[in-house]
Amino acid sequence: DIQLTQSPSSLSASVGDRVTITCRASQSTSGYLNWYQQKGGNAPNLLIYTTSNLQSGVPSRFSGSGSGTDFTLTISSLQPEDFATYYCQQSYSAPITFGQGTRLEIK
Amino acid sequence: EVQLVESGGGLVQPGGSLRLSCAASGFSFNNYWVHWVRQVPGKGLVWVSRINGDGTTTNYADSVKGRFTISRDNAKNTLYLQMNSLRAEDTAVYYCARGIFPTSSGCVAYWGQGALVTVSS
Repeated sequence: DIQLTQSPSSLSASVGDRVTITCRASQSTSGYLNWYQQKGGNAPNLLIYTTSNLQSGVPSRFSGSGSGTDFTLTISSLQPEDFATYYCQQSYSAPITFGQGTRLEIK
Repeated sequence: EVQLVESGGGLVQPGGSLRLSCAASGFSFNNYWVHWVRQVPGKGLVWVSRINGDGTTTNYADSVKGRFTISRDNAKNTLYLQMNSLRAEDTAVYYCARGIFPTSSGCVAYWGQGALVTVSS
């Protein structure tokens, strides 16, 4: 199974900050690495698929990069609505796995 | 508009069984992989199972293998999760979710609202 480790587990930042969240896989995912945002008790929302592709309707301040086993999600300028929990997910091989999540809080 | 609506959640005793359903609409259901993902309130996302468009391929997390069965009825546009030998650690909100593209077996772009399953005596 491919294990995903996100860092940091939690992060405090201010509106307007540039934020980077990292996801490290225990083995290559061949780029099949996706990012989700979840707010409160709502279902997750897909932000980025296959490393760097922006899902339709997602603001361009979100971007993804990486290769092999190391991936990042960057929010270029934090907005109030971005304070949420973020998860990476590998869809390269079954069982599909998620990272443990990164909670982004207001400083 | 893509819609996924789960039903069938509730309270069940340890060792009991429950079947979740997910009614799909707004897309060609038989063309997509669909998944079950669960989440203990306040905790992280855990993938449970997936099934391909014609129902011939299924995969499971190790934690549910042999106890849970995923299936689909394409004539009814409905996904199922039969859960047997339930344990307290199966308590969670269960989401059904659809692949982003017809060829996508893992990345999910549409989610239901979730169904709460509570396993307790």
